[in-house]
Amino acid sequence: AQSVTQLDSQVPVFEEAPVELRCNYSSSVSVYLFWYVQYPNQGLQLLLKYLSGSTLVKGINGFEAEFNKSQTSFHLRKPSVHISDTAEYFCAVSEFSSASKIIFGSGTRLSIRP
Amino acid sequence: DADVTQTPRNRITKTGKRIMLECSQTKGHDRMYWYRQDPGLGLQLIYYSFDVKDINKGEISDGYSVSRQAQAKFSLSLESAIPNQTALYFCATSDSFADTQYFGPGTRLTVL
Repeated sequence: AQSVTQLDSQVPVFEEAPVELRCNYSSSVSVYLFWYVQYPNQGLQLLLKYLSGSTLVKGINGFEAEFNKSQTSFHLRKPSVHISDTAEYFCAVSEFSSASKIIFGSGTRLSIRP
Repeated sequence: DADVTQTPRNRITKTGKRIMLECSQTKGHDRMYWYRQDPGLGLQLIYYSFDVKDINKGEISDGYSVSRQAQAKFSLSLESAIPNQTALYFCATSDSFADTQYFGPGTRLTVL
């Protein structure tokens, strides 16, 4: 069965600084990978996803993530963050063989300091 | 108008009461999901449905039941609520499992 680990529960950064949110997954088969963002008092929305092809995936709001199969990682990055990026970020994985389930990580709370 | 709506948005109830949370969608998706969010635990899948006649248990289905009344409607019930079911509940829809999931705004449930 697949699993997802988000190594940092909270990441504080200064505005305009770069940020990396880490995600590692475990699976015995090929996977699809996702990053979702949850702004305060809202539901989740998709930032980006990796299905196949290029390992560097670009998403909304200037975020990107790189799929690294050998390290089973899918880290999320942004070169310069803004106050509006303050939110909780969730990594998620779905196995090719599973017709249904997406497993979410425990989330990383990104707080931006002015 | 929102594509995925949930009612109520907030609910406070007492132990032992029956509670129903409702979800409606206008996206035309076949697949619908119910998740529970607890601080520090991420989202856990309670039930999912691929169409009106297909209902499946997720990771944490004990104490919950669901009903898929139509393609657009998927309800979650707590037959006898208990305090550890206090959480934020999300409904979501998708076109396929590899596709984007669209989430509702959530229902905050407190069981006293």
